[in-house]
Amino acid sequence: NAGVMQNPRHLVRRRGQEARLRCSPMKGHSHVYWYRQLPEEGLKFMVYLQKENIIDESGMPKERFSAEFPKEGPSILRIQQVVRGDSAAYFCASSPGARAYNEQFFGPGTRLTVL
Amino acid sequence: KNEVEQSPQNLTAQEGEFITINCSYSVGISALHWLQQHPGGGIVSLFMLSSGKKKHGRLIATINIQEKHSSLHITASHPRDSAVYICAALGQGAQKLVFGQGTRLTINP
Repeated sequence: NAGVMQNPRHLVRRRGQEARLRCSPMKGHSHVYWYRQLPEEGLKFMVYLQKENIIDESGMPKERFSAEFPKEGPSILRIQQVVRGDSAAYFCASSPGARAYNEQFFGPGTRLTVL
Repeated sequence: KNEVEQSPQNLTAQEGEFITINCSYSVGISALHWLQQHPGGGIVSLFMLSSGKKKHGRLIATINIQEKHSSLHITASHPRDSAVYICAALGQGAQKLVFGQGTRLTINP
């Protein structure tokens, strides 16, 4: 059973370009979480999704950021018109359900560098 | 004040020493995670616990719900244990994790 997959592992973008980060949850997991780790800072929650639904996006910046988790395919975190401050490691995690006893498993992360 | 506080922020020890990392939280939680992150690396989940104590190899995690405190212990520490250790709280009724700032552990041979 493969773990949580993220791609690309490293992404370089110039200011103003778009970044698309993909997350494939573990098999059988229908809940996906995105977290951001800014340089020299701790991890922060961004968004929580179930298939085709955004459940909690309270940690997502209001502009330029969006997330989806379609019925088929991976979850996508999309950052439009990237700025240098978006440079960070973006981790996704997945769990089989929403109960507290459902552990979240993390992917390897995507390291975004904005030039 | 952060909802989840870890101490110490940095810890350097000699190989073989017993290590303790502490985590205090100020909110009601349904579970607490201990995570490990190597420099430039991914995040590995070590434990998820909501009461009592769990042990895996040389790692032990305890939690005291009344005192809102958890500890991660490493016995017979080894240089390969060098990493950042992060505690993360899952709030009651919520699904998002709230993270401590991490403890950078360095074990010297």
